[in-house]
Formats: sequence, C-alpha cells, structure tokens
Amino acid sequence: AQSVTQLGSHVSVSEGALVLLRCNYSSSVPPYLFWYVQYPNQGLQLLLKYTTGATLVKGINGFEAEFKKSETSFHLTKPSAHMSDAAEYFCAVSDLLTGANSKLTFGKGITLSVRP
Amino acid sequence: DAGVIQSPRHEVTEMGQEVTLRCKPISGHDYLFWYRQTMMRGLELLIYFNNNVPIDDSGMPEDRFSAKMPNASFSTLKIQPSEPRDSAVYFCASRGRGYTDTQYFGPGTRLTVL
Repeated sequence: AQSVTQLGSHVSVSEGALVLLRCNYSSSVPPYLFWYVQYPNQGLQLLLKYTTGATLVKGINGFEAEFKKSETSFHLTKPSAHMSDAAEYFCAVSDLLTGANSKLTFGKGITLSVRP
Repeated sequence: DAGVIQSPRHEVTEMGQEVTLRCKPISGHDYLFWYRQTMMRGLELLIYFNNNVPIDDSGMPEDRFSAKMPNASFSTLKIQPSEPRDSAVYFCASRGRGYTDTQYFGPGTRLTVL
C-alpha cells in the first residue's frame, strides 16, 4: 500500500524567503509523485508531477521538486516566496503496479503562510 | 474547456434529508473521482469510475452514500439520509486514460447538514 507523509501542518515564511515543503512517500513499486495546491474555497490544482526521467521537476509559479529515491522524498521548493503563494499544498503518490486504474493517495496537506 | 463542473456549490440541509451532488467531467476524460475533504480526515477518495463503471468504492463510508455515472458526461453522489457528520467539501475530479495524466478537480460542493 502506498502512503504519503507531510510532516507538520503549517509552514510560515517571510516574503522573499525560501519555501521548503517536505514530502516522504512509501511505495513498493516505482512511484509517480504529484504536488497539488489548493487556494481558499477552490479545488486542487496541479503544481508539478514526476513520472519518469529527470528527477528535478519544474512546475508552475516557480515551484520545483526533486525525486530522491534513496530518501523516498519529493520535497517542494521555491527560491523566493510571494504573498500569492499562501495556500494549502498536497503531496500525492500513484504507482505503476495498477497501471491505468491507479489512484492517487494524498498526504494531509501543509498550509503555507507568507508574512509581508 | 470549462473544466470540471460541480453543482451546487453550497448546500445546506437538515439531518435526514436526501442530498444529491452533481458533477460534469471534462469532455473526453475516462476517469471520474469523488473525494471528501474535512479538517479531521483530510482528503479522502470515496469512489472512482472508469468509462462509467465503478472501479473502487472502498472509500464510501456507509450504505447511506451512493454514486452513479449514467453516462460519460454526468455523475451523482447521493447521501440518504444525511447526517451532521457528512458536513464536508465534496470534490469531483476527472482524468484522461493515461495513468500519468493529471487529475483535474472541480471547485467542490460545500455541504452543511444541520
């Protein structure tokens, strides 16, 4: 069974500071990994995803994440936080085993606050 | 494309009443997912369909919940009878046939059961 761990529920950074949101996964087969963002009163929107190939993945709004198999991690980073980045962020994992019928398993989410 | 469409956006009902949530997936998508989001339990997958057929309903909390997909462009999630603990935001999402394809989420229905 797959699982995702997002440690902590809330991260607060100053505007312009580095954003680092941690995600660790558990999967018995090579995973597919995703980061989604949810703005208040909205649905989830894909930030980026890792399937195969390059382990450093770039997404929208200046975010990127690196797949590290040895650490079973897929941490999300952004060099300089903007006020508009304040939102809830979800890491999710899927797998190759079940093929096209695979489903996403989400972490509990992390709320990012950005201080002026 | 209009994206995933959900209705209503907000629903307030009284305990014991029947509630029906509706979803129109993105045209051409083969998969449709229903999720529930609460503060306590986070985002939970309730059920998902492939080509209108339910594949996995293991997340449906109890028999009071049922979901249908009569055609490729419409799905419903029904709660009968509703209870206060069903209060949550319910999301519908759809995805193309490739398993690396992105799941696109609707705006959600905020359900309050009094």
